[in-house]
Amino acid sequence: NAGVMQNPRHLVRRRGQEARLRCSPMKGHSHVYWYRQLPEEGLKFMVYLQKENIIDESGMPKERFSAEFPKEGPSILRIQQVVRGDSAAYFCASSPGQWNTEAFFGQGTRLTVV
Amino acid sequence: QKEVEQNSGPLSVPEGAIASLNCTYSDRGSQSFFWYRQYSGKSPELIMSIYSNGDKEDGRFTAQLNKASQYVSLLIRDSQPSDSATYLCAVPLDNRLAFGKGNQVVVIP
Repeated sequence: NAGVMQNPRHLVRRRGQEARLRCSPMKGHSHVYWYRQLPEEGLKFMVYLQKENIIDESGMPKERFSAEFPKEGPSILRIQQVVRGDSAAYFCASSPGQWNTEAFFGQGTRLTVV
Repeated sequence: QKEVEQNSGPLSVPEGAIASLNCTYSDRGSQSFFWYRQYSGKSPELIMSIYSNGDKEDGRFTAQLNKASQYVSLLIRDSQPSDSATYLCAVPLDNRLAFGKGNQVVVIP
């Protein structure tokens, strides 16, 4: 049973380009969460999705950021027109139910904007 | 008050000693509590879950929960150099898992 899979592991983008981060949850998990972590800082919640639904996007910037979790395929976190401040580690976690159940993290995508 | 607080600075412990980490949370209705371990440059790894008041032991780790006082702690017995990491306390809040800032533990051989 594979864990949460994220790709790419490292992503370099020039300012103004688009970044697409992918997350495949663990088998049997239908809840996906995205977090961002800056160096030496804590995990900041971005968005919570279930299949085909965004449940809570209160932690995601209104501009340039979007997320989806289609019926088929991985969850996607999309950042348009990236800026240097978007450089961070982006982690995806999945759980079989809501947050009162155990959640497991993927290896993360390290985004560097140059 | 912050939702999940871990106030201690970096904790240095000699190898073989007990490391003690504390976490307080603001939501009295919280029912689930988690400890994650994060090595530098790696992703968080779930190491303990606790749902009831009292102690829960798993190997060298013991989680302690006191809902009346709204705190949860983690003890690491017989600390090893491999335990050197940041430990994150997490509590469900609304539609997300709220994390504390973490406590860095350094085990000195």
